Amino acid sequence: EDQVTQSPEALRLQEGESSSLNCSYTVSGLRGLFWYRQDPGKGPEFLFTLYSAGEEKEKERLKATLTKKESFLHITAPKPEDSATYLCAVQANAGKSTFGDGTTLTVKP
Amino acid sequence: EAGVAQSPRYKIIEKRQSVAFWCNPISGHATLYWYQQILGQGPKLLIQFQNNGVVDDSQLPKDRFSAERLKGVDSTLKIQPAKLEDSAVYLCASSLEVGAYEQYFGPGTRLTVT
Repeated sequence: EDQVTQSPEALRLQEGESSSLNCSYTVSGLRGLFWYRQDPGKGPEFLFTLYSAGEEKEKERLKATLTKKESFLHITAPKPEDSATYLCAVQANAGKSTFGDGTTLTVKP
Repeated sequence: EAGVAQSPRYKIIEKRQSVAFWCNPISGHATLYWYQQILGQGPKLLIQFQNNGVVDDSQLPKDRFSAERLKGVDSTLKIQPAKLEDSAVYLCASSLEVGAYEQYFGPGTRLTVT
């Protein structure tokens, strides 16, 4: 059974304090690993897709990396508007998507 | 480009009643997903369609949940009869195809079963 574990469950940062979120996974044939952002009361919003170990993607203050067992979402100099829940998901070769429970990030000004 | 539409946004029912949710995916997207998201947890896949056909429904409680996607566009998810533990947000998402394509989510329907 495919599994996704995210840590920490919650992270509180001061504005400008960089940190990383972790996503560990086990999957029967990885087709892709996805990062989404979810704001309260809204559906998840797509951020990145990573396909193979060693791949990196960047968008503004966010950078996602992938190894054979885990992915990291690095947040550089975060701002209060980066506060949200960040979800990691894997898609197996069979096509099924499995999400983690997310990391809730709070950035204080 | 219009996003994924869902209705209703909120629904309150009593246990043992039935309820239906509607989803209209992004135009041209062949794959449609229904997820259940319980407060504090990540989305859990209930069913995945590719056009009219079911790709995966292994986590759909088939004794009470049903879903259909007629004509490969709109979809409905039904619960009958509802239980207290069905209280959750039901999210619909769509993607271009089955595969490593990003999913676009609707705003969700928040269901409360009393």
